[in-house]
Amino acid sequence: NAGVTQTPKFQVLKTGQSMTLQCAQDMNHEYMSWYRQDPGMGLRLIHYSVGAGITDQGEVPNGYNVSRSTTEDFPLRLLSAAPSQTSVYFCASTLSGGGTDTQYFGPGTRLTVL
Amino acid sequence: GENVEQHPSTLSVQEGDSAVIKCTYSDSASNYFPWYKQELGKRPQLIIDIRSNVGEKKDQRIAVTLNKTAKHFSLHITETQPEDSAVYFCAASRRGGKLIFGQGTTLQVKP
Repeated sequence: NAGVTQTPKFQVLKTGQSMTLQCAQDMNHEYMSWYRQDPGMGLRLIHYSVGAGITDQGEVPNGYNVSRSTTEDFPLRLLSAAPSQTSVYFCASTLSGGGTDTQYFGPGTRLTVL
Repeated sequence: GENVEQHPSTLSVQEGDSAVIKCTYSDSASNYFPWYKQELGKRPQLIIDIRSNVGEKKDQRIAVTLNKTAKHFSLHITETQPEDSAVYFCAASRRGGKLIFGQGTTLQVKP
């Protein structure tokens, strides 16, 4: 199993550009999530999904869109990039049930918006 | 909204000493409390977790305690080693995939 994969690893955008961060998991997990981590801070939940076709907002959803057409993929779209979106983005998938909600993180995408 | 407060923000201990990090949560419906370790430039890695129906859980040198009434939980690391130096995050969840994280504690273990 590759686990949770994210592409790209690094990205530089100009203000106003749009892009999609890719996330995929091969563990057949129902739940997937997107977080952002700003320097010296914790992770903040952007959007999450409890299954294909179902998404919901997290703590900081503004400026981001998600969709979940398959169990495996959960892309995050930046509609019009702003410098405030400079951050490290982590995707995660969750094994739920059996007394645990173990969340597995991808390696992250480091995004800089100029 | 849901909130998790974590203290202290930095913690420095001598090798061999114990370290304790504390978190409080606001959502009384939270039922899952994981702790993550994050090394510089790496992804968070789960080190221990606890469910709301358990008061304490231990795994070798690390343990977590939960007080549901007070809505707080703590991470205890005994016999600390230099390789324990990292940023530690607590989190709380009432639903799979929706973790709310604390702000993090930078632990430094001095040799």
